[in-house]
Amino acid sequence: NAGVTQTPKFQVLKTGQSMTLQCAQDMNHEYMSWYRQDPGMGLRLIHYSVGAGITDQGEVPNGYNVSRSTTEDFPLRLLSAAPSQTSVYFCASGAGGGETQYFGPGTRLLVL
Amino acid sequence: AQSVTQLGSHVSVSEGALVLLRCNYSSSVPPYLFWYVQYPNQGLQLLLKYTSAATLVKGINGFEAEFKKSETSFHLTKPSAHMSDAAEYFCAVRGGSGTYKYIFGTGTRLKVLA
Repeated sequence: NAGVTQTPKFQVLKTGQSMTLQCAQDMNHEYMSWYRQDPGMGLRLIHYSVGAGITDQGEVPNGYNVSRSTTEDFPLRLLSAAPSQTSVYFCASGAGGGETQYFGPGTRLLVL
Repeated sequence: AQSVTQLGSHVSVSEGALVLLRCNYSSSVPPYLFWYVQYPNQGLQLLLKYTSAATLVKGINGFEAEFKKSETSFHLTKPSAHMSDAAEYFCAVRGGSGTYKYIFGTGTRLKVLA
């Protein structure tokens, strides 16, 4: 099993550009989530999903969209990037309610 | 509302000494509590979790944590630090069964001195 994979590993965007961060898991987990990690702030939940077709907001959802059309994939969309979205983004998945979350390696995003 | 407070953003211990990383939580419902570890340039890995079974939880790499409801604490300990324990540690809370929002603490970076 590859576990949780994220692409790209690193991305530079200009303010106003849009992009999609990809996340996939091959463990047939129902629960998937997106976090951003900023220095001194820990991880903050952006959006999460408890199954295909079901998503909900976390702590910091503004500026981000998600959808869950399949069990395996949970992409995160930035519609109009802002410098405040410069961060490291982690995707995670878990069985059932996601009691144990398995994290991907992260995507480092720089918005200029 | 749930929250997590980790006391000490940086902790240094000598190799072989006790490791104690502090975590206090607040939750309006019986919580699920977690400790994760992050090595440089990697994602997070689960160390241990409390899900309302035994209050003393043993995890990987010799770590353990004790759930103390009266103190709203879930401190992480290891009797003897090893150089390989140097990493950042995160405490997290989830508000029990039926809720799916995790709240992470701000992290504690552990340095192990030779």
